[in-house]
Amino acid sequence: SSELTQDPAVSVALGQTVRITCQGDSLRSYYASWYQQKPGQAPVLVIYGKNNRPSGIPDRFSGSSSGNTASLTITGAQAEDEADYYCNSRDSSGNHSNWVFGGGTKLTVL
Amino acid sequence: QVQLQQWGAGLLKPSETLSLTCAVYGGSFSGYYWSWIRQPPGKGLEWIGEINHSGSTNYNPSLKSRVTISVDTSKNQFSLKLSSVTAADTAVYYCARGLGGGSRSVGYYYYMDVWGKGTTVTVSS
Repeated sequence: SSELTQDPAVSVALGQTVRITCQGDSLRSYYASWYQQKPGQAPVLVIYGKNNRPSGIPDRFSGSSSGNTASLTITGAQAEDEADYYCNSRDSSGNHSNWVFGGGTKLTVL
Repeated sequence: QVQLQQWGAGLLKPSETLSLTCAVYGGSFSGYYWSWIRQPPGKGLEWIGEINHSGSTNYNPSLKSRVTISVDTSKNQFSLKLSSVTAADTAVYYCARGLGGGSRSVGYYYYMDVWGKGTTVTVSS
């Protein structure tokens, strides 16, 4: 089965732009989705598809994709954006279709 | 507004069977993938498996031998059973709704848009 690889930790100065990346073979076939998780809370979907935000997600969150790499960009990071971020996609490389998550990226806003 | 409410035993002994249920409120049960995901303390998310409204399942190959996911469409509920648990199965377990779409021309996408609040399961003798 496929895997998704993320940098374990990234930091950004308040108000600056940060990009979180996710690499994996499944991303050549499917767009990644991105989830924000704060301590003690369930993950929240922030980006899906080519670059779609669910209702209520600020427009400073955006997504992009190229080849086997997906990116989540936060333009003008805020203190409340400090969280763990996970990418996710479908994986059809094996005999069955499964879901796969990246290992997560801890974002620190300085 | 779709909501997922989950429940189940929170403390198990090694070799017992974990059993959790997730109820879907405020939305259709058909047309979606209903998944279980877990997160060990301090670690990342791990997909366990999924079921659709007709009962078709897919499981994480690493857990397949111990996992059973079932559905009760009359109650809009789906359930997880994980047998022969060990301390390594200690985690927060989430249920989630998945869906997908797209085409060859625009690309295919899948995502999980609604999550339960999570149930903490501890395995300890």
